[in-house]
Amino acid sequence: NAGVTQTPKFQVLKTGQSMTLQCAQDMNHEYMSWYRQDPGMGLRLIHYSVGAGITDQGEVPNGYNVSRSTTEDFPLRLLSAAPSQTSVYFCASSSLVSADTQYFGPGTRLTVL
Amino acid sequence: EDQVTQSPEALRLQEGESSSLNCSYTVSGLRGLFWYRQDPGKGPEFLFTLYSAGEEKEKERLKATLTKKESFLHITAPKPEDSATYLCAGHSGTYKYIFGTGTRLKVLA
Repeated sequence: NAGVTQTPKFQVLKTGQSMTLQCAQDMNHEYMSWYRQDPGMGLRLIHYSVGAGITDQGEVPNGYNVSRSTTEDFPLRLLSAAPSQTSVYFCASSSLVSADTQYFGPGTRLTVL
Repeated sequence: EDQVTQSPEALRLQEGESSSLNCSYTVSGLRGLFWYRQDPGKGPEFLFTLYSAGEEKEKERLKATLTKKESFLHITAPKPEDSATYLCAGHSGTYKYIFGTGTRLKVLA
């Protein structure tokens, strides 16, 4: 039982490049979410999903795209990277049935030059 | 607007010196109040969920309590390994969790 996994752990991009951050969970959780964490800002919700085929925007969705084709996977796409997207990104999952506790992945540290 | 505010931003304690961290919240229709621990370079690790005012939960040297306006994380006789950032989050029931900015705790031996 790996929990929530994220790849890659580190990434450096140039402005304008695109990339996908991967997130997978093996707990059969319905709810999955993406956050970014910046110094002094706390964790801010980017996008979330309550099941395969269902996604919605969080607090800071601009510049990011998501899709959910399976229960296990919830990739985050950066369409055209900007220096303002330099951050640490965390994926989380939880069951909608019990306790609402979110379990977090180890994070991806992204730098956009 | 839903908001979660944590204080202090940073706290230094001597080993064995008990203290409390504060989490004030204004979250409409609060469905749950969560505490997490985050070590440097790692993802948040779940500690507690509190659902209603008056509820208390304990784990080793940590005890979390909840009132209608705030939650406290009490740390009794802390050890250096308790050093971490402690995060508080409110869940409004609209699938959105609102996080505070955290309290950085340093326990000195």
